Amino acid sequence: AQTVTQSQPEMSVQEAETVTLSCTYDTSESDYYLFWYKQPPSRQMILVIRQEAYKQQNATENRFSVNFQKAAKSFSLKISDSQLGDAAMYFCAYGGGADGLTFGKGTHLIIQP
Amino acid sequence: EAQVTQNPRYLITVTGKKLTVTCSQNMNHEYMSWYRQDPGLGLRQIYYSMNVEVTDKGDVPEGYKVSRKEKRNFPLILESPSPNQTSLYFCASTPRVTHFNEQFFGPGTRLTVL
Repeated sequence: AQTVTQSQPEMSVQEAETVTLSCTYDTSESDYYLFWYKQPPSRQMILVIRQEAYKQQNATENRFSVNFQKAAKSFSLKISDSQLGDAAMYFCAYGGGADGLTFGKGTHLIIQP
Repeated sequence: EAQVTQNPRYLITVTGKKLTVTCSQNMNHEYMSWYRQDPGLGLRQIYYSMNVEVTDKGDVPEGYKVSRKEKRNFPLILESPSPNQTSLYFCASTPRVTHFNEQFFGPGTRLTVL
């Protein structure tokens, strides 16, 4: 079974600075997807960014980018120019087949004004 | 508007009283699933369905039932709820299991079992 580990239960960053959230995973598959989801206080699950394992190029979405290290099974999220609206729970997730997404336990991101 | 809907959004009930949480998607997705979210545990899959009349257990299926009689609907049934099923529940869908690039989530159902 796949596992996803987020080792930082909580992170704090000053507004406008850069923060990196860590995620590692374990799988024996070669073709899979990785995701970062944001969950604001509204509880809605919002897709932030996704990475396909067969693509070597790191995904980027505006201020959000990932550092995907396939051999190390690492998938970190970098948020540049942090904004107050970025405050939320962030979940890393692995998707590889019929048994849906496997989520990490989440990182609570606090933005200090 | 493409979406996954869940009802009810909030529910307080008592131990043993059967309840159903409905889930519907309007995107013609084949794959649907249910997750529960608990503090410190992230989201864990309860059941999933790869298509009509095809369902299977996820990681935490005990105490739950599902059915998939129509493509768009995937209700979650708690026949005898217990306090340890107090949680936030999410329904999700994706086009097909081989097209696993994103899951679309419903807004969540906050369930409290007294």
